[in-house]
Amino acid sequence: SQQGEEDPQALSIQEGENATMNCSYKTSINNLQWYRQNSGRGLVHLILIRSNEREKHSGRLRVTLDTSKKSSSLLITASRAADTASYFCATDAGGNEKLTFGTGTRLTIIP
Amino acid sequence: NAGVTQTPKFQVLKTGQSMTLQCAQDMNHNSMYWYRQDPGMGLRLIYYSASEGTTDKGEVPNGYNVSRLNKREFSLRLESAAPSQTSVYFCASSGTGVFSTNTGELFFGEGSRLTVL
Repeated sequence: SQQGEEDPQALSIQEGENATMNCSYKTSINNLQWYRQNSGRGLVHLILIRSNEREKHSGRLRVTLDTSKKSSSLLITASRAADTASYFCATDAGGNEKLTFGTGTRLTIIP
Repeated sequence: NAGVTQTPKFQVLKTGQSMTLQCAQDMNHNSMYWYRQDPGMGLRLIYYSASEGTTDKGEVPNGYNVSRLNKREFSLRLESAAPSQTSVYFCASSGTGVFSTNTGELFFGEGSRLTVL
């Protein structure tokens, strides 16, 4: 079963707007990661947030983590056409060597 | 900088045929993984190898075997392919050591698209 579930499944916004995606997970974690996948390509790591962190920034990306609610959000500010991709959260489900991925949010930026 | 290289990129098999997907990484990573990606299912872990010489089952190991040939290479074998194994397969690697308590960033290959007729 999937550890993480992203919401919404699909999101379309105008270029320049902010995009927010959410991830919920089931078990305790050591860290949560976000990945991007362009159509037909492999996944690319975006950002990692540890369980003792509440917020992290990387360029136009802002990630929050609420361990009490077992949820995370990814905010992309000032979106660009190149941000069109699928976005996945992944968790380590308690510190083992495996990462479990959610089902992803498909983001479309309309020029 | 090749990163993670998968071969072949595309393959069509008939039911019952066998094949091996190859994966190699040049980042001196300890851990390597095989995932499959199906529409609406996200990525599901098939097998992983936390270090050279060890392999462990993931979420969906049935119908697959793996070999960690050396630190660089991790292959996935389908002994008798079935239509349910039609999928996109991704190999990934991570620098996290065996005794690390935090799973690190994964580096992915570009995928192998397999169709079983």
